[in-house]
Amino acid sequence: DADVTQTPRNRITKTGKRIMLECSQTKGHDRMYWYRQDPGLGLRLIYYSFDVKDINKGEISDGYSVSRQAQAKFSLSLESAIPNQTALYFCATSDARTGSHEKLFFGSGTQLSVL
Amino acid sequence: SQQGEEDPQALSIQEGENATMNCSYKTSINNLQWYRQNSGRGLVHLILIRSNEREKHSGRLRVTLDTSKKSSSLLITASRAADTASYFCAGSNAGKSTFGDGTTLTVKP
Repeated sequence: DADVTQTPRNRITKTGKRIMLECSQTKGHDRMYWYRQDPGLGLRLIYYSFDVKDINKGEISDGYSVSRQAQAKFSLSLESAIPNQTALYFCATSDARTGSHEKLFFGSGTQLSVL
Repeated sequence: SQQGEEDPQALSIQEGENATMNCSYKTSINNLQWYRQNSGRGLVHLILIRSNEREKHSGRLRVTLDTSKKSSSLLITASRAADTASYFCAGSNAGKSTFGDGTTLTVKP
């Protein structure tokens, strides 16, 4: 099945470290997104990309950067991790060619803990 | 800030009963979607309703949308223990979706 794959599934790091979360998809979708989820809350948009040459900031982009290496790959970096970036991170994709292009397909998430 | 607020935050019912969750949103939207999340896992899309629609059905799901009140509801009929999960609404505009804080549904066997 076409899928959205996030690596790693879990990561523990220390304050000040640089860390990269990776996302790849085999769905052939053009749009990719990074969200974070804090306990008991909904998802907040960090960055999104509508194609390889398009990168946009979301609601909470400070402290994060992204790279769209190819249509199928979208990575999220924390340049200098801090404890309040501890959260569950989700990558998602959508297909602009369909009538329901806002329909999101999610990866399984990366649980990041910053100590 | 979050797009939507969901009500109730938590809901516990018996198997076979209906479950209703409500969502209010703040800004204009092209459509509104509902997603389901099993504990700690990725969200799964359930249903999408467009801004020019008032009601939509899919299996045991019924969604309504009132754009004048900026609100939506999700009804799950004849609930099952397997429906236990968190449910999120998301308002979409310009290709971006903004999520509410969710309703945690527990269906007791």
